[in-house]
Amino acid sequence: DSGVTQTPKHLITATGQRVTLRCSPRSGDLSVYWYQQSLDQGLQFLIQYYNGEERAKGNILERFSAQQFPDLHSELNLSSLELGDSALYFCASSVLGDTEAFFGQGTRLTVV
Amino acid sequence: GEDVEQSLFLSVREGDSSVINCTYTDSSSTYLYWYKQEPGAGLQLLTYIFSNMDMKQDQRLTVLLNKKDKHLSLRIADTQTGDSAIYFCAETRRGKAAGNKLTFGGGTRVLVKP
Repeated sequence: DSGVTQTPKHLITATGQRVTLRCSPRSGDLSVYWYQQSLDQGLQFLIQYYNGEERAKGNILERFSAQQFPDLHSELNLSSLELGDSALYFCASSVLGDTEAFFGQGTRLTVV
Repeated sequence: GEDVEQSLFLSVREGDSSVINCTYTDSSSTYLYWYKQEPGAGLQLLTYIFSNMDMKQDQRLTVLLNKKDKHLSLRIADTQTGDSAIYFCAETRRGKAAGNKLTFGGGTRVLVKP
């Protein structure tokens, strides 16, 4: 157990809908990251937050947004969902903004 | 741009050594990682190496880095059936400006046969 908690574990929703994925980092970690794992794209970095502020941005679609709250948990919001958004979404956390990252178990999103 | 490549599949007999290879293109990489993913599970950090090192050993795991050739390998000694998983190589350029974005390879599926 890495100490990073993601909820829910599974999510099934229809196209056009909006969902929110939640991540609680390891105790003491200030930085959270979001990654998407899909069969065609592999593991792709989406976004990183450090102590509430955006630190780095990757291939995150405009339909997706994220934030890190004062208690350091993070949420990834996915809207106007398409079939191609079906994937495993991982959250990771690290102590600082540039130290090794530990991953949660992921949220499997299925868009039907 | 950044790119990390791995072979797709490796089959090994229980008790033998496994060697998983990875190549990367970003010469600015500062840290290189190996993660393990078991079916239905998250990514487990196995080990990492700083780019100014050639080798790192951690129990059954040995990481070798050839920075000139941008080649990274992970050797698992005395491979067990529990080592069957997908292994991902990843690189990052750490730092306040770069953050800690990990670029992953496509993963190597390791199958350990009894």
